[in-house]
This record gives sequence, structure tokens and C-alpha cells, in this order.
Amino acid sequence: EVQLVQSGAEVKKPGGTVKISCKVSGYTFTGYFIYWVKQAPGKGLEWMGLVDPEDGETIYTEKFQGRLTIAADTSTDTAYMELTSLRSEDTALYYCVKGGADYWGQGTLVTVSS
Amino acid sequence: DLVLTQTPLSSLVTLGQPASISCNSSQGLVHRDGTTYLSWLHQRPGQPPRLIIYKISNRLSGVPERFSGSGAGTDFTLKISRVEPEDVGVYYCMQVTQLPYSFGQGTKLEIK
Repeated sequence: EVQLVQSGAEVKKPGGTVKISCKVSGYTFTGYFIYWVKQAPGKGLEWMGLVDPEDGETIYTEKFQGRLTIAADTSTDTAYMELTSLRSEDTALYYCVKGGADYWGQGTLVTVSS
Repeated sequence: DLVLTQTPLSSLVTLGQPASISCNSSQGLVHRDGTTYLSWLHQRPGQPPRLIIYKISNRLSGVPERFSGSGAGTDFTLKISRVEPEDVGVYYCMQVTQLPYSFGQGTKLEIK
């Protein structure tokens, strides 16, 4: 059974950094990209970037360039998303998604508040 | 960047009646490999999105036959032949043809 299990909810202060993990099982980790998707409260889906676990190559949207780091650890079949210089607009659910979008993590709520 | 525009943004449908959602792309979605990577997802409240249609018209295993996808080039459509109660939620089109990948704004489907 394919599963993407994300780390738990986070509360961070403005200017801080958050790192979310996504543990994959049930398929070959290096066979598919991992996407990260943002969903602000009551809003739609926003594609942030991806990592190719096979070679570690990453692609980021321009909006998050410079603040976002996505990585993959093939020794643990885990992907990571780190977002720095947090502001209130970063308060959202963040999903990791298997390439092809056929499997999604459960989402990790990040709240940025002073 | 490629923009996906969905219409309508909300739809109120009677049970058993059809529903249709359009997704228009600002650029053609044919990948250099000849495939059009346009998908549809359904999100129920409090749940992650679920893929229901991929490559324009392919239903994922377990997705009811009342769901169908069609289109080509820049214009795509998701149709539900007879809306059921479990079909409520938000529907998104998504493209993975061109980086950065992107989603439509979402269409909220409600039952009358």
C-alpha cells in the first residue's frame, strides 16, 4: 500500500524556519518525483516545487525561490520541505505528493504567529 | 508561467442531474513526448485532494464511470453524468506538462 506520512503540525514565529518531513512507503522512492503543494486556509492548491529523489534535482516556483528548500533522503525514503523567513501568509496546510498526483500525504498544518 | 482558468467557480446541482466544469489553459498542454498531462482532482472538506482523472480522460481505478474527462489543446472538461451526494467538494484541474506545474483555482460543487 502506497503511503506518504507527513510530520505533525508546527507553530512558528514570523522570521522563523519550518521543516516538514514526508516518509514514503509502498513504492520505489526513486521512481517518482515528490511535489510539495500549499493550501492556505479556505484557498486553492498552489504548486511549490519538486524533487527528483533519484538524483536530488529540484525545481522551485519563482514565488518561493530563495526561501524554499526541498530534498530527498534515499536512505530513509523521506522527502523534506524547509521554508525560511516565515510570514503570516505562510500559514497553510502543506502536502507532499507522489509524482503523478495519485497519492498525497495527509498534510501538515503550519501556523505562523507571533 | 502557464495559467489554468476554471469555470464556473461554483456550481449548485440537483441530485441526479449532470455537472460540467471547464479548464482553460493559457498555453497548449501537449508535452514534447506527445502526451497531454492534464488531470482532475476532487477534494472533500477536511481531506487531501484525490486524483480522479489523468491524461485528460483516464479514470483512476475505483473512480465511478459517471466521471469523464475530455478536451484537447487548451480546453478541457470534467463531466459528472448524474451527481451523487458524495460528489460535493472542490474540483481542481492540474497540469504537469510544463514547469512550474500548476492548478486551476478550483470549482466548488454543491447539491441543491
